[in-house]
Amino acid sequence: EAGVAQSPRYKIIEKRQSVAFWCNPISGHATLYWYQQILGQGPKLLIQFQNNGVVDDSQLPKDRFSAERLKGVDSTLKIQPAKLEDSAVYLCASSPWGNSYGEQYFGPGTRLTVT
Amino acid sequence: KNEVEQSPQNLTAQEGEFITINCSYSVGISALHWLQQHPGGGIVSLFMLSSGKKKHGRLIATINIQEKHSSLHITASHPRDSAVYICAAPKGDSGAGSYQLTFGKGTKLSVIP
Repeated sequence: EAGVAQSPRYKIIEKRQSVAFWCNPISGHATLYWYQQILGQGPKLLIQFQNNGVVDDSQLPKDRFSAERLKGVDSTLKIQPAKLEDSAVYLCASSPWGNSYGEQYFGPGTRLTVT
Repeated sequence: KNEVEQSPQNLTAQEGEFITINCSYSVGISALHWLQQHPGGGIVSLFMLSSGKKKHGRLIATINIQEKHSSLHITASHPRDSAVYICAAPKGDSGAGSYQLTFGKGTKLSVIP
């Protein structure tokens, strides 16, 4: 079974530029999560999708971040314009519907550096 | 107070030492996850515990549901065990079929040869 795929793995941009990250979850997984992980911290949930609907985006900075999950499969996360404090690892995870106790499968992450 | 607290934040050990990482949580349903994160970012699930103890190779995880406390032990530690270990408590709606994880800040383990 293929795991969660993310691209790019690394990205360096200047502040005020825009950037997009892509995630392909495990086939058949209904729930998709985007996390932001700042160095030395645990992951922070940005947005949770169930199929192509948003379950929780309460911690997504909507003035600059946007995310979509077309057809309930792949997802993109965009930052426009980027700030220095957006430097972090962006993780995508997926889980099947109804999994007990919240087990999630994580992608390799995208390391973003904003200069 | 964080909802999921881990200790210690950083740990350096000599190869072969017995290692313990602790996690206390105040949220979530009666279960806990232990995750491993190597440099480069990817996270791997080690254990999901809802009671008692689980063992996988040199890794042992225990949980006390009543006290909301869990420990991760590594026996005969090796430099390849160097990583960040994160505990996470699940919370959510079983009716909706989806959960969220509340993560600790992680424990950075360095095992020196």
